[in-house]
Amino acid sequence: DTGVSQNPRHKITKRGQNVTFRCDPISEHNRLYWYRQTLGQGPEFLTYFQNEAQLEKSRLLSDRFSAERPKGSFSTLEIQRTEQGDSAMYLCASSPPGIAGGNEQFFGPGTRLTVL
Amino acid sequence: KNEVEQSPQNLTAQEGEFITINCSYSVGISALHWLQQHPGGGIVSLFMLSSGKKKHGRLIATINIQEKHSSLHITASHPRDSAVYICAVSSYAGGTSYGKLTFGQGTILTVHP
Repeated sequence: DTGVSQNPRHKITKRGQNVTFRCDPISEHNRLYWYRQTLGQGPEFLTYFQNEAQLEKSRLLSDRFSAERPKGSFSTLEIQRTEQGDSAMYLCASSPPGIAGGNEQFFGPGTRLTVL
Repeated sequence: KNEVEQSPQNLTAQEGEFITINCSYSVGISALHWLQQHPGGGIVSLFMLSSGKKKHGRLIATINIQEKHSSLHITASHPRDSAVYICAVSSYAGGTSYGKLTFGQGTILTVHP
């Protein structure tokens, strides 16, 4: 399967623990996005990578959140000292290079985080 | 007021009915996307458009740039069309656009047999 993959699919953790999620985009896609979706809402933008460079971060991304894409391939999103408000679906999407305004985005299945 | 507004929030239809979901936005955009999300979270891109109209099977998407409005139509609806339909825009910010999406809250569509 050559789609976007995310691991783990589900994560249950206790408040205060650190968690890390991984996203593997489609191989030739240089653009990678992280979004967060809470129950009953549309997703919200968190951060964007073009190759290995993190070019934009949302104000939603507090100091407890960090994302990397070290070799311009897979990306990780880490949440430190998790809080119950971090419970959400974390979605990764990738798109190919080319159009400045963005291309069609291909979404992964998401990682559902539950903070107890 | 959200930058992207969808209506209705919930829509119930009988199989075979013609369905319309509306999306209005308040920012300058480079493109508008219609997405489908099934229970469990997976999101699939249906359309990306910046002008006019696109058609794929029973789905039709239109956009009016002047009015900042788009519609998604489903002809001859079927129970398998039941899903959440989300409108999203990629907008310009400071002269650049990385294609990040701003989403509407979604429309929950249920089609009964």
